Amino acid sequence: SAVISQKPSRDICQRGTSLTIQCQVDSQVTMMFWYRQQPGQSLTLIATANQGSEATYESGFVIDKFPISRPNLTFSTLTVSNMSPEDSSIYLCSYCRSRADTQYFGPGTRLTVL
Amino acid sequence: GQNIDQPTEMTATEGAIVQINCTYQTSGFNGLFWYQQHAGEAPTFLSYNVLDGLEEKGRFSSFLSRSKGYSYLLLKELQMKDSASYLCAVRDPYSGAGSYQLTFGKGTKLSVIP
Repeated sequence: SAVISQKPSRDICQRGTSLTIQCQVDSQVTMMFWYRQQPGQSLTLIATANQGSEATYESGFVIDKFPISRPNLTFSTLTVSNMSPEDSSIYLCSYCRSRADTQYFGPGTRLTVL
Repeated sequence: GQNIDQPTEMTATEGAIVQINCTYQTSGFNGLFWYQQHAGEAPTFLSYNVLDGLEEKGRFSSFLSRSKGYSYLLLKELQMKDSASYLCAVRDPYSGAGSYQLTFGKGTKLSVIP
């Protein structure tokens, strides 16, 4: 599997601000995803990051709140906009090389909103 | 809709064998995954089943029955370090806004005791 990293690993932010999380894979991958894991919960998919086009968002998630970029096949960003305490969560980037491939996860970004 | 069920918690003794069950009801099926997640860390891939039967990998085995919508993860010779959450996830090509993403169960928290 490729090495996948995220920055920052954790952050504490004030209500109303925005945070951009970066995800880097050390080789080209076809599909990248962004998940959220709220305290004590399982993983929920936010969106599929599509290279060169707009992300595909799941029900309950919108581009204005979670803008996503994917400028190339190794990098993606997720922005959590106008944050509130309810956005406190772990945000995880993941990738797979093809639709039949295993999905691998980055180390996650632990976000706390005060 | 989609539904993935697994027990919330389990406790087992060091050196013993434990079986974690997962049942699923999804629109389509393109594979079932098991992940291990230690507290505060990202999920780590354990196994992948797409055909019926047993897949063995060291101390870990995973079984799938597509006709029954059922899988289990078998952990042998339990060690204290196996204390973690175990997540069952199904890849359904017909679910969500994107395609081929994973839908996760809520996870089973396994505690291994001496």
